[in-house]
Amino acid sequence: EDQVTQSPEALRLQEGESSSLNCSYTVSGLRGLFWYRQDPGKGPEFLFTLYSAGEEKEKERLKATLTKKESFLHITAPKPEDSATYLCAVMSGANSKLTFGKGITLSVRP
Amino acid sequence: KAGVTQTPRYLIKTRGQQVTLSCSPISGHRSVSWYQQTPGQGLQFLFEYFSETQRNKGNFPGRFSGRQFSNSRSEMNVSTLELGDSALYLCASSLGTVDNSPLHFGNGTRLTVT
Repeated sequence: EDQVTQSPEALRLQEGESSSLNCSYTVSGLRGLFWYRQDPGKGPEFLFTLYSAGEEKEKERLKATLTKKESFLHITAPKPEDSATYLCAVMSGANSKLTFGKGITLSVRP
Repeated sequence: KAGVTQTPRYLIKTRGQQVTLSCSPISGHRSVSWYQQTPGQGLQFLFEYFSETQRNKGNFPGRFSGRQFSNSRSEMNVSTLELGDSALYLCASSLGTVDNSPLHFGNGTRLTVT
């Protein structure tokens, strides 16, 4: 069974203080690893898909990387508007089912 | 392009009742999935429909069921509600092809069972 573990559970940063969020996974036949952002009262918003080890993707202050066992979401010089819960999920097998981690709640103080 | 639309946004039901939630996917998306989100368990997969057929099912009791219509719209039904069914129910749509297309989520229906 696919498993996803995210750490830390919560992270508090000062504005401009860069950091990384970790996602460890165990899956048989990875088809894709996904990062989502979720704001309170809203559904998850898609950020990135990574398909194979060594792949990297960037969007504004966010950069996602992938190895064979884990993925990192690097946040460079974060701003208060980056405060949200960041979810990692994996897809395997022949269907579109996602297995999610419990998420990392990020708070960025001005 | 309109996103995934879920109705209603909030529901309050009593134990033992049943409830139907509705989801309209992004235009052109043929796959619709449902997830339950709770503080303790996070996001858990309920089921996926593709072209009106259930393609995959999670580990939930038979009280949870769904269906998809020919226009890709989907409904989810929960019968004999229990207190533990209180959660945010999220619908997601995707192209549903083998290109690992990402899921796009709606803002969910918040169900409270009293």
